[in-house]
Amino acid sequence: ETGVTQSPTHLIKTRGQQVTLRCSSQSGHNTVSWYQQALGQGPQFIFQYYREEENGRGNFPPRFSGLQFPNYSSELNVNALELDDSALYLCASSPDRFASYEQYFGPGTRLTVT
Amino acid sequence: AQSVSQHNHHVILSEAASLELGCNYSYGGTVNLFWYVQYPGQHLQLLLKYFSGDPLVKGIKGFEAEFIKSKFSFNLRKPSVQWSDTAEYFCAVKTPSGGYNKLIFGAGTRLAVHP
Repeated sequence: ETGVTQSPTHLIKTRGQQVTLRCSSQSGHNTVSWYQQALGQGPQFIFQYYREEENGRGNFPPRFSGLQFPNYSSELNVNALELDDSALYLCASSPDRFASYEQYFGPGTRLTVT
Repeated sequence: AQSVSQHNHHVILSEAASLELGCNYSYGGTVNLFWYVQYPGQHLQLLLKYFSGDPLVKGIKGFEAEFIKSKFSFNLRKPSVQWSDTAEYFCAVKTPSGGYNKLIFGAGTRLAVHP
């Protein structure tokens, strides 16, 4: 069984640019959540995708957007990058969208904005 | 807004010492509670979880946690730590969120175990 994978591992971008991060969910999982983990902090929920639709969102501005594909893989897009967007971005998949299901985390993408 | 507090940001122990990491949450209703661990260079892994039933929960690698509803706490314990327990530990809660699966994490506790 393949776990959650993310790409790229590391990324360096300039302020104002746009970035796309990718996530492949664990086999059989139809729900993907994205989290931002700033240095020295716990992960913060960005949004969740269930069956290709966003069905929950945290306190992040609209320049954070996402997609989920028919194979349940997902992308996180961030426009107009700011220095504070520098963080580890984590993807987590689960078998379904409800709170009773455990989330399985990927290794993360480390984004540095200069 | 719901929040999770982890009182110890850094803990240093010698091998064989006992460990207790504090976690408190702010939410008056039903919660699901978790402890995750992040070993150096690895991804977040689930140590243990509480959904309902026995408030004393046993997890992997000898860890356990006790849910005390009256104190809004879910403290993590291990009787005797090993060098390999060096990692960052995160407490997290899930509350009813309108049909989606959102974890609220604490800031984490960095544990260093010396041989």
